[in-house]
Amino acid sequence: QVQLQQSGPGLVKPSQTLSLTCAISGDSVSSYTVSWHWIRQSPSRGLEWLGRTYYRSKWYSDYADSVRSRITFNPDTSKNQFSLQLNSVTPEDTAVYYCVRATAGAGWSDPWGQGTLVTVSS
Amino acid sequence: DFVMTQSPDSLAVSLGERATINCKSSQTILYSSDNKNYLAWYQQKPGQPPKLLIYWASIRESGVPDRFSGSGSGTDFTLTISSLQAEDVAVYYCQQYHSTPYTFGQGTRLEIK
Repeated sequence: QVQLQQSGPGLVKPSQTLSLTCAISGDSVSSYTVSWHWIRQSPSRGLEWLGRTYYRSKWYSDYADSVRSRITFNPDTSKNQFSLQLNSVTPEDTAVYYCVRATAGAGWSDPWGQGTLVTVSS
Repeated sequence: DFVMTQSPDSLAVSLGERATINCKSSQTILYSSDNKNYLAWYQQKPGQPPKLLIYWASIRESGVPDRFSGSGSGTDFTLTISSLQAEDVAVYYCQQYHSTPYTFGQGTRLEIK
């Protein structure tokens, strides 16, 4: 059974960097049959897909236009996890952040991490 | 981007009655190459992440009660709960995974009448 365990701070100051990590058990971050995504949820924006990373002989990532200039995903094969970094945050980035897995050739999200509420405030 | 629009925004149904939630995509999410609709449905209860109910528009995830069913094709889809149970009170979302950015509907809140 695949499980995703998220970690990271719940409070980030404006203009700083939001960093979250998603530890994977029961699957491999470098599996050819899946991709790894970040999704956030806020009252104002609903559920918003932020992007994905996946390994197919090399690492690929693609990101939502809304955050493309500020976001990076970093897979870590030694720890079997992947991370999210979002730079130059503003209060608009306040949300619950989720990591999820999707099957290659499909795209539904399952399972989901437990979610991390990140508040951007000074 | 694909815009997903759900209706209604909220719904109150009596226990044991049918609940129907609609989802409309701004573009077709049916891939002609495999004749599959790239649509999923999720259930979210307070304080929990969304839970996958249905994928490929009509395939129930393992363990999901058979009172949940999905239908539709192209741009118009429906999630039906045939006989509402108290534990079905939640917010329901559709999601297209035809093309990135994967996009979600705004959600439909389901309550007991």
